Amino acid sequence: QQPVQSPQAVILREGEDAVINCSSSKALYSVHWYRQKHGEAPVFLMILLKGGEQKGHDKISASFNEKKQQSSLYLTASQLSYSGTYFCGTRGTGTASKLTFGTGTRLQVTL
Amino acid sequence: NAGVTQTPKFRVLKTGQSMTLLCAQDMNHEYMYWYRQDPGMGLRLIHYSVGEGTTAKGEVPDGYNVSRLKKQNFLLGLESAAPSQTSVYFCASSFWGTGYNEQFFGPGTRLTVL
Repeated sequence: QQPVQSPQAVILREGEDAVINCSSSKALYSVHWYRQKHGEAPVFLMILLKGGEQKGHDKISASFNEKKQQSSLYLTASQLSYSGTYFCGTRGTGTASKLTFGTGTRLQVTL
Repeated sequence: NAGVTQTPKFRVLKTGQSMTLLCAQDMNHEYMYWYRQDPGMGLRLIHYSVGEGTTAKGEVPDGYNVSRLKKQNFLLGLESAAPSQTSVYFCASSFWGTGYNEQFFGPGTRLTVL
C-alpha cells in the first residue's frame, strides 16, 4: 500500500518554509526522499533509517518517527530551485530491496 | 560515468505490438528496478532484480516481462502493448539493498500506446 503524502500541492514565496509529510500504514525500516523536476528523473535527497534520526542537507532536513510510521521533510528559506515534486519512498520492516513511493507533493516556489 | 541510461527515450506503439526497453548502468550496482509513472500515481514498481540472473515482481507486473542476463543491463519487455501501458518508464539502480542505499534513476522512456 502506498504511503500517503500531504499536502498534495503547496505554493510558497521565496524564503518561506514548508513541511511535507509522509505517513505509512505499515511498520517501516527506512524512508527515502526524492525530488523530481518537471520532465526529469527523480533525484535522491536523503535516507532516514529506523531509529528516529533526523538528517539534514543544506536547508532541507527530515525526521522519521518509526512509532508513528511517519516522516516529515522540512524545507527552510525556500529557493526557486526547490520547485518540483517531492516523493517519499518507504521500505517496510519485512520487505528487502524495494521501496513503495507515495503519490508526491508538488511544490512551487515563486518570487 | 554515464550513470543509468535508458533506450529509447520516446516510443509510439500500436495496440498489440511488442517492444523492449533497455536500461544500462555503469556503476557496478547489484540492484536494478523498473518503475512506471502516471499522473497522480507516483512511481509504481513493475519488476526488480537483486543480481545478475534474478528477477522479482513488484506492485504492477502484469503485462510486462524482464530479464537480467548481464549485471549492467535490465530489460523490460511488453509482449502485447495495451493503451493502459501508456506511461513514463523509469529504470533505477542501487549498490545494495534499498534500506541503506539511494536509488539512481535513468532519464525515463515516454511510451504511448495507440
